[in-house]
Amino acid sequence: KNEVEQSPQNLTAQEGEFITINCSYSVGISALHWLQQHPGGGIVSLFMLSSGKKKHGRLIATINIQEKHSSLHITASHPRDSAVYICAVRSSLGTDKLIFGTGTRLQVFP
Amino acid sequence: NAGVTQTPKFQVLKTGQSMTLQCAQDMNHNSMYWYRQDPGMGLRLIYYSASEGTTDKGEVPNGYNVSRLNKREFSLRLESAAPSQTSVYFCASSGDRGVYGYTFGSGTRLTVV
Repeated sequence: KNEVEQSPQNLTAQEGEFITINCSYSVGISALHWLQQHPGGGIVSLFMLSSGKKKHGRLIATINIQEKHSSLHITASHPRDSAVYICAVRSSLGTDKLIFGTGTRLQVFP
Repeated sequence: NAGVTQTPKFQVLKTGQSMTLQCAQDMNHNSMYWYRQDPGMGLRLIYYSASEGTTDKGEVPNGYNVSRLNKREFSLRLESAAPSQTSVYFCASSGDRGVYGYTFGSGTRLTVV
């Protein structure tokens, strides 16, 4: 079993829909990251969370440390949101290495 | 713009050839990383460097070597490329051991035929 699990693996939506991507992890963490990767492109950091909730524009990320679960929400989705969204955790064991989920591929259609 | 610069963006190698992937960051970060990304798998750590002059193996180091030339640069070398090394490679950096987040390069798509 992977230490970081994301669901769903693939997601399609109509423009304007509210989207939720989930991430569960099985290790103790010091931080959780949400990353975005456009087709053929590099990886961009969206959020870094250690507790609670963060919001940036139409994106909202939440984390529940007790349940070892995080969600990434996209409100009023747009075709330009189409990308792979990756959850990664930084272990609390003192290392600065990240453990990555396999990603959620999102396609938003007009 | 400040960030992580990787070269080349694309490369095709024949089995047995060697090459070096270059990575440089201008954010004065101490830590640098090399990852590979394969279909259906999360990014996997090949090697990392916590500071200038130090390097450590990650999850999948076999077939690779690295050099932390100075604080800015961290190169990844394939001495004898194999088809199993066909992948997308990402360099990343972080300051303060990741406390303030990570910055990724744009990736190198490598095909070994």
